[in-house]
Amino acid sequence: QKEVEQDPGPLSVPEGAIVSLNCTYSNSAFQYFMWYRQYSRKGPELLMYTYSSGNKEDGRFTAQVDKSSKYISLFIRDSQPSDSATYLCAMSAGNQFYFGTGTSLTVIP
Amino acid sequence: SQTIHQWPATLVQPVGSPLSLECTVEGTSNPNLYWYRQAAGRGLQLLFYSVGIGQISSEVPQNLSASRPQDRQFILSSKKLLLSDSGFYLCAWSVPPGMMQPQHFGDGTRLSIL
Repeated sequence: QKEVEQDPGPLSVPEGAIVSLNCTYSNSAFQYFMWYRQYSRKGPELLMYTYSSGNKEDGRFTAQVDKSSKYISLFIRDSQPSDSATYLCAMSAGNQFYFGTGTSLTVIP
Repeated sequence: SQTIHQWPATLVQPVGSPLSLECTVEGTSNPNLYWYRQAAGRGLQLLFYSVGIGQISSEVPQNLSASRPQDRQFILSSKKLLLSDSGFYLCAWSVPPGMMQPQHFGDGTRLSIL
């Protein structure tokens, strides 16, 4: 079993839709949870990170962590064509980071 | 603010040639440094990480090596490239555990082996 599981998609939505991206994990030692956005041929860009269970909001983005279920989500409200990218979830324990394989999202104008 | 520089952005090399990719971080001291390889649909594969000068941990036995000659400099090398070394290489940094900071990435080097 992989440490982190993420549905690769691809996911295609119309502009303005609410997008839900999800990851599950198996290691209860994970302490920090992150979401990255990666455009084609670029490095991953940090979107959000959180330490605790619950919700964290930043503009149109909301990160949700449920440690009891070992499940994290990223919600994108009012999605825009510029949100079209691959989204990677990540988690860390100590010096090590563990990544999902990424979900490819296309927002259609 | 902290920045990470990675170069070159693109590299085409023949099989059997040497490799040197460089990564430097500005605006922070004693960062943890990481080299990843990213293959399409397979996520990020951790190759090496370093918690200090001269301290390198290898995650996967392979044709590559890493060095950290200075606090904020991380180098990925190979003496003889293989076709299987093609890929997208990413350098990243983070502060040590306990300071609640995530990992930050450079823009990567796309390496093609011919």
